[in-house]
Amino acid sequence: GENVEQHPSTLSVQEGDSAVIKCTYSDSASNYFPWYKQELGKGPQLIIDIRSNVGEKKDQRIAVTLNKTAKHFSLHITETQPEDSAVYFCAASFSSGGYQKVTFGTGTKLQVIP
Amino acid sequence: GAVVSQHPSRVICKSGTSVKIECRSLDFQATTMFWYRQFPKQSLMLMATSNEGSKATYEQGVEKDKFLINHASLTLSTLTVTSAHPEDSSFYICSASLPQETQYFGPGTRLLVL
Repeated sequence: GENVEQHPSTLSVQEGDSAVIKCTYSDSASNYFPWYKQELGKGPQLIIDIRSNVGEKKDQRIAVTLNKTAKHFSLHITETQPEDSAVYFCAASFSSGGYQKVTFGTGTKLQVIP
Repeated sequence: GAVVSQHPSRVICKSGTSVKIECRSLDFQATTMFWYRQFPKQSLMLMATSNEGSKATYEQGVEKDKFLINHASLTLSTLTVTSAHPEDSSFYICSASLPQETQYFGPGTRLLVL
């Protein structure tokens, strides 16, 4: 099955700096890569996603890159703000039985220091 | 994005009793719903996948007679934890999706079994 590794497990940055979270996946059948933000005591919230036919996608301060050959994908947050502090999960998914079967990374706890 | 609700948000029950958790997709009809379990500081663990009108597919190691899932309509799935024990205490999160589409997560249900 799919295996998703995520690094780092914790990340502290000063407000205004950039944060980068990296993930690798193992199954070349994976074709959809969402990123989720989870605040304490809440469910994960989709923040950005990318499909395998695209190398990069940007949405304001958030960007995601994908290297299919190397099976790497990364989340980039620029101009970080205290409200960006949360746990971020990457995920890799592929089509199975009519739905997307998702495998999550282990999570990165991001702390933005004011 | 799509909105998924869960009820209750938290529940405390006595050992041996059963607890039902509801998951609703509020603004779309979800062909597939998923149930996850999350332990503190850990990633999401998929418990089961359910399609409307059919039996749920459970992940390996998840007891289907203990965690009963019903997906009676395109907007409602329920998870019943039967004969709950303290080790069942956890954060349970559902998600919902259209075919081949992104999963949208509910806010989660904190279960504490005394």
